[in-house]
Amino acid sequence: DGGITQSPKYLFRKEGQNVTLSCEQNLNHDAMYWYRQDPGQGLRLIYYSQIVNDFQKGDIAEGYSVSREKKESFPLTVTSAQKNPTAFYLCASSTDTGYPRDGYTFGSGTRLTVV
Amino acid sequence: AQSVSQHNHHVILSEAASLELGCNYSYGGTVNLFWYVQYPGQHLQLLLKYFSGDPLVKGIKGFEAEFIKSKFSFNLRKPSVQWSDTAEYFCAVKPPRDSGAGSYQLTFGKGTKLSVIP
Repeated sequence: DGGITQSPKYLFRKEGQNVTLSCEQNLNHDAMYWYRQDPGQGLRLIYYSQIVNDFQKGDIAEGYSVSREKKESFPLTVTSAQKNPTAFYLCASSTDTGYPRDGYTFGSGTRLTVV
Repeated sequence: AQSVSQHNHHVILSEAASLELGCNYSYGGTVNLFWYVQYPGQHLQLLLKYFSGDPLVKGIKGFEAEFIKSKFSFNLRKPSVQWSDTAEYFCAVKPPRDSGAGSYQLTFGKGTKLSVIP
């Protein structure tokens, strides 16, 4: 089945460490996105990428970094500079980079906890 | 700032009650509208979407939404809820093409938690 795979499902990190969240899609989608979901705050855009080797900051990019070396993969690194990293992270993708008529397809998420 | 507002943070209903969840947006021009649902422990799924044409849109699982352009609203409705509808519901808006670099992104509301009591 085509879809988006996020791994791991749960991740624990010590303060001061960087950690990378994986997102892989086999939908042949051009655009990929990372959102952060916090209770009562909805989904906030961290980074997005419309094409390989190109990505743009979203609304809350500080303390995060991404890469897009392959169409299928869009990993997110949560750096030690992110002041409040404990959250639920969602990866999404869409077919049309210019005007996604079908909305997004979402992964099942990674819950990151800083201990 | 342009935004999407969901007025109800948490709605509690008994089974068989009717449901209406509000969604308002502040973008002018032509927008595309979506409702997503997130069941406990699951990923977000598309319930329904509006692009053009009939402002009453029917989605999966008996849900529907009505686009009222004059009110900048896209409220979600279901005549009779079931316990299995317990979930969090997100309204999302894709801004007009000419609204800038972010116009191909979806902007999400903060979500409404629905709890259905058996």
